[in-house]
Amino acid sequence: KAGVTQTPRYLIKTRGQQVTLSCSPISGHRSVSWYQQTPGQGLQFLFEYFSETQRNKGNFPGRFSGRQFSNSRSEMNVSTLELGDSALYLCASSSFPETPAYGTQYFGPGTRLTVL
Amino acid sequence: KNQVEQSPQSLIILEGKNCTLQCNYTVSPFSNLRWYKQDTGRGPVSLTIMTFSENTKSNGRYTATLDADTKQSSLHITASQLSDSASYICVVTAGGLYGQNFVFGPGTRLSVLP
Repeated sequence: KAGVTQTPRYLIKTRGQQVTLSCSPISGHRSVSWYQQTPGQGLQFLFEYFSETQRNKGNFPGRFSGRQFSNSRSEMNVSTLELGDSALYLCASSSFPETPAYGTQYFGPGTRLTVL
Repeated sequence: KNQVEQSPQSLIILEGKNCTLQCNYTVSPFSNLRWYKQDTGRGPVSLTIMTFSENTKSNGRYTATLDADTKQSSLHITASQLSDSASYICVVTAGGLYGQNFVFGPGTRLSVLP
């Protein structure tokens, strides 16, 4: 079974631009979560989608948004990029029992975003 | 405030040696505790998940322990290998069902030298 895939793997943008990251979960997984990881703050939860609906959201500004498609693939968008948005963005999928907190989360390799 | 602390911040050991990483948490209500291994530039990989009633769980050379009374967990690595060089992250779920309830530790950076 293929793992979680994320594209692109690396991205360089300038302040003020917007960016869209993509995540394809493991086949059959319907829950997709997004995380931001920085050296200073560590891992932080962004949001989670299940069956095309955002179930939960972390404490990030509205510039961070996402969506999920009917095939469970998910995208996250960051508008008006700031220098502090430079980070590794990780996507994780989960299947048991459709609630990430009680099952194993499988992470993708991440997208490294650099904002100049 | 829910918090997870890990020690040491970094650790260097020789190949073949054992080591123990620590995780202390102040999280309420407690649902479960996870240990992840994260190689540089890669996503975390789950090692163990323990609930309140479990005090030991193994995954190959990795053994996690949980003391819910003292709110401490440890990850013991036996006969370390070069491939064990990574960051190890402790995550506690603060009740609830979803990701916003995850409380992440800062990680311990382990380097295994030949």
